[in-house]
Amino acid sequence: AQKVTQAQTEISVVEKEDVTLDCVYETRDTTYYLFWYKQPPSGELVFLIRRNSFDEQNEISGRYSWNFQKSTSSFNFTITASQVVDSAVYFCALSEAEDKIIFGKGTRLHILP
Amino acid sequence: NAGVTQTPKFQVLKTGQSMTLQCAQDMNHEYMSWYRQDPGMGLRLIHYSVGAGITDQGEVPNGYNVSRSTTEDFPLRLLSAAPSQTSVYFCASRLPRYTGELFFGEGSRLTVL
Repeated sequence: AQKVTQAQTEISVVEKEDVTLDCVYETRDTTYYLFWYKQPPSGELVFLIRRNSFDEQNEISGRYSWNFQKSTSSFNFTITASQVVDSAVYFCALSEAEDKIIFGKGTRLHILP
Repeated sequence: NAGVTQTPKFQVLKTGQSMTLQCAQDMNHEYMSWYRQDPGMGLRLIHYSVGAGITDQGEVPNGYNVSRSTTEDFPLRLLSAAPSQTSVYFCASRLPRYTGELFFGEGSRLTVL
């Protein structure tokens, strides 16, 4: 059965610090997709990134970067030079061949000014 | 382009009452799903559908019914509401074959007294 673990319930950092959000997943499939979503205080869910199991290249998008390591079943998310606007709940998610997407419990990130 | 539309946005019920949360999407997505979000529990999958006439259970299906008579609509029914169903509910859709990201509605906040 698929499972996503976000062990960090809540993180607080001072603005401009770097922060990494951890995501560990479990799956029996060899083909799967991983996702990150952001939920700001306004409540909507915002898609950040999708990564398939065959592409282990790290990805960078502005201040955001993602480190996918199949060997450790991890898909970690790093925010560089954090800003107050990055304060949100961040969810990691996993999709297998059954199509359903399972989410982790989320990490609440506080960026302190 | 409306995307995923949920109604109502807010609802208060008494224990034992029934209601239906409506979800409609105009993107011709075959896959649709319902999640509930509770503090500290992340997003938990209730039911999902990979196409009209096909539905399946997610992680927390008890107390909820769904049907999928059209590609566009995926209503969630609470037959006899319980206080444990107080939550924020999100409907989401995606392109098929587990590759695409989920598009979420704005959420429906349900309180059961």
